[in-house]
Amino acid sequence: QLQLQESGPGLVKPSETLSLTCTVSGGSITSTTYYWGWVRQPPGKGLEWIGSVSYAGSPYYTSSLRSRLTISVDTSNNQFSLRLSSVTAADTSVYYCARSIVGATLFDHWSQGTLVTVSS
Amino acid sequence: DIVLTQSPGTLSLSPGERATLSCRASERTSSSYLAWYQQKPGQAPRLLIYGASTRATGIPDRFSGSGSGTDFTLTITRLEPEDFAVYYCQHYGSSPRAFGQGTKVEIK
Repeated sequence: QLQLQESGPGLVKPSETLSLTCTVSGGSITSTTYYWGWVRQPPGKGLEWIGSVSYAGSPYYTSSLRSRLTISVDTSNNQFSLRLSSVTAADTSVYYCARSIVGATLFDHWSQGTLVTVSS
Repeated sequence: DIVLTQSPGTLSLSPGERATLSCRASERTSSSYLAWYQQKPGQAPRLLIYGASTRATGIPDRFSGSGSGTDFTLTITRLEPEDFAVYYCQHYGSSPRAFGQGTKVEIK
């Protein structure tokens, strides 16, 4: 049974870098079949795709965050990570990691989500 | 960029009734890349439909998707108590990849 679990700080100061890691269990992140992505949801609002990465290919990023975003894969630990720099209060969201089964953004398995608050 | 507009914003229905949710794309899109998700409070989204009309694994057959071009529909034939939730459509595959703003199905 595939499971995804995100980890990282729940509170980040403005202008600093938000870093989250998603650990995949029950499956290999090195499968070339899948992409691994991040989706966020501001409190009380809708879903926003952030970006996706595969073991074999280049990452895809949403255009609005591309200049601040890095998504990478750590095969030795079966993990993938998100780094979002220069955060503001607008980046406060629940962040989900997920597996995509078609292209970069058809997500069939999701993590439970973690709230990251940007505040001083 | 493709923008997905969902309607209505909120749908108030009783258990056993039929729910019809709409998703309209701002420009023509391949139906191969239209998905629907369900999200309950405090939970992650769950994939219901992809390719506009294919149910994901384990999804009951009371959920069905249809449409092509710019207009897509999610239908729930007989609402069960566990179906009251927020539903999102999504364009996936190639850029831009976007979610609609969601339709809340609430108990009347």
